[in-house]
Amino acid sequence: QSVLTQPPSVSAAPGQKVTISCSGSSANIGNNYVSWYQQLPGTAPKLLIYDNNKRPSGIPDRFSGSKSGTSATLAITGLQTGDEADYYCGTWDNSLTADVFGGGTKLTV
Amino acid sequence: QVHLVQSGPEVKKPGASVKVSCKASGYTFTSYGINWVRQAPGQGLEWMGWINPYNGHTNYAQKFQGRVTMTTDTSTSTAYMELRSLRSDDTAVYYCARRIGEPYFDYWGQGTLVTVSS
Repeated sequence: QSVLTQPPSVSAAPGQKVTISCSGSSANIGNNYVSWYQQLPGTAPKLLIYDNNKRPSGIPDRFSGSKSGTSATLAITGLQTGDEADYYCGTWDNSLTADVFGGGTKLTV
Repeated sequence: QVHLVQSGPEVKKPGASVKVSCKASGYTFTSYGINWVRQAPGQGLEWMGWINPYNGHTNYAQKFQGRVTMTTDTSTSTAYMELRSLRSDDTAVYYCARRIGEPYFDYWGQGTLVTVSS
């Protein structure tokens, strides 16, 4: 059972928009920054979003992040088949004094 | 260009230990932490802990306390993760990742498959 809760799967058609939620508590998301990672099949995770809504160099602006209270959301617009992957949210948990991840969400395009 | 290159796959028997290495290049090794994250087959990411190469300070996930040791060799910019008393449910891909900021993990190694089987 993950500390952060994500939907197991989401799907949308090419060109559409999808959102992936990440729910936590005041011990983690409520008081810390959230990051998001994309894991393509058979590869290592890749940083998509950090500090709630910042994109590393090279990440297209089709990917965006937001946070409100104890929840965070990853939005992907203009979906492409190449976006099919598992997506994970992550943050620091003050009570556990540990980094925590969501259980992951499988995106099908 | 930042790179984290991990050691090759391992097959171990239950009760044995494994030591995975992670060689960093392209940045000042002592300026960033190194995290270890594992992923069991078909499962999600599990944070194991992290080490600060500057001072050797470690923070282990409670689940692994007493069974894991993370170390670094600053002369070779290499981080190590040793897991002892291996069980079949330790079978997983083990990743190292550079820790930065608030924090987040901006560069990841390619992963090391550790298989525990009798």
